[in-house]
Formats: sequence, C-alpha cells, structure tokens
Amino acid sequence: GQQVMQIPQYQHVQEGEDFTTYCNSSTTLSNIQWYKQRPGGHPVFLIQLVKSGEVKKQKRLTFQFGEAKKNSSLHITATQTTDVGTYFCAGPESGAGSYQLTFGKGTKLSVIP
Amino acid sequence: EAGVTQSPTHLIKTRGQQVTLRCSPISGHTSVYWYQQALGLGLQFLLWYDEGEERNRGNFPPRFSGRQFPNYSSELNVNALELEDSALYLCASSLEGQGAWETQYFGPGTRLLVL
Repeated sequence: GQQVMQIPQYQHVQEGEDFTTYCNSSTTLSNIQWYKQRPGGHPVFLIQLVKSGEVKKQKRLTFQFGEAKKNSSLHITATQTTDVGTYFCAGPESGAGSYQLTFGKGTKLSVIP
Repeated sequence: EAGVTQSPTHLIKTRGQQVTLRCSPISGHTSVYWYQQALGLGLQFLLWYDEGEERNRGNFPPRFSGRQFPNYSSELNVNALELEDSALYLCASSLEGQGAWETQYFGPGTRLLVL
C-alpha cells in the first residue's frame, strides 16, 4: 500500500537553530496531518493540510503541502528545548474501502541547550 | 472535556498469555483506532472501529483482535503473546468515522512488557 516516508530519522540541533522534517509519498495525498509526540508521551495533533501548495503557520512552526500533494514539510524556526520530541506526518491509506491514517516513522528532534 | 482514557497503564505478561487492553474515547466520538508503537519505531496501525463495526485492519496476525461496544469504548485483545509484542499500545478516537480526514486524539497508552 501507499506509504509516507519521512526524513531525517533523527536530528540534533543547537538551541536557536532551525529544523526541518520532510514527508514524501509516492501517490497524491488528499490531505496530510502532522503530530508531535513528546518523550514518554502520546502523539498530539498539530495541523492538517488539504490544499495544494498550502502553507500554515503556528508561531515558530511552518507547515507546507507540496503543489503535487505528494510531499510536505515542517519547519521550526529558532528551536527551543520545548520543541524536543518526535514529529510524525500521516497520510491516508486505503484498505477495505476505507481510508485510515498511515503514519511516517517520524523524525526525532533533540535540542542541545 | 475528558480525553481518551486507556487502562491499564502498564502490564507485564509472559509468553503465551493473553491480554486485554481497554480504551474509552472522547465523549461523542464514534471512531476508535488502535496502534502499536514498539520501542524506537513509529506508529503501526492495528485496528479501526466505528459505530461498533470493524472498518479496517492493519497488517497484524489474527491473534490481535478487538471490538467496540455500544458506548463506543473498545477493547484490544492479544492472544498467545510473543516477546515482540512488547510495545506501547495507543488508542485514538475521532468524531465522525471519516478516517483519514479526521484529527485523531490519542490516549496515554498502555505499555505492555512480555517476558
């Protein structure tokens, strides 16, 4: 089935540096969602992108959906220690006539103070 | 508003045993999803229930099963436990059963250790 591939798997940055994680699909996605999981926690919804070329911002976080709706990115400006965690993208995968979310393997962000 | 709740929080079992995990969705949500998150790995989709029916199933053996009750709570059963079943089991709920179109709200998970 369709998979969403996420890179990099790990990223270590100095506090204040920027961070970007990328999500790619072999097929066109109807929408893409991003989640964050803090260490020891559970995934928490961040945002959903639906439109081709869509860009959404949440404070220091910028989310983009590619023009072809096959890729997406999350960019964090001037990382802080509170940004530590694993960031997952998730896209629809079909099965048995229904579409459920398929999660990428995530990018684990470490921020060095 | 209460979030998704799961019980128990932790479990230790031995190989060959059976386990039942429980999930209560956010009030008003009809869909429940189950995921397995093994250490250092991503979220692997297990099962999706909506309105009491199984809507979809991930690539897991039949010894992983579940059900959804009329009050939309759900159980995940794992029979004949194997060591590699050790993982965090996450339950999520969504409002209307629209699957990949909807935000999923996750519970804190049940951490299962199989010895």
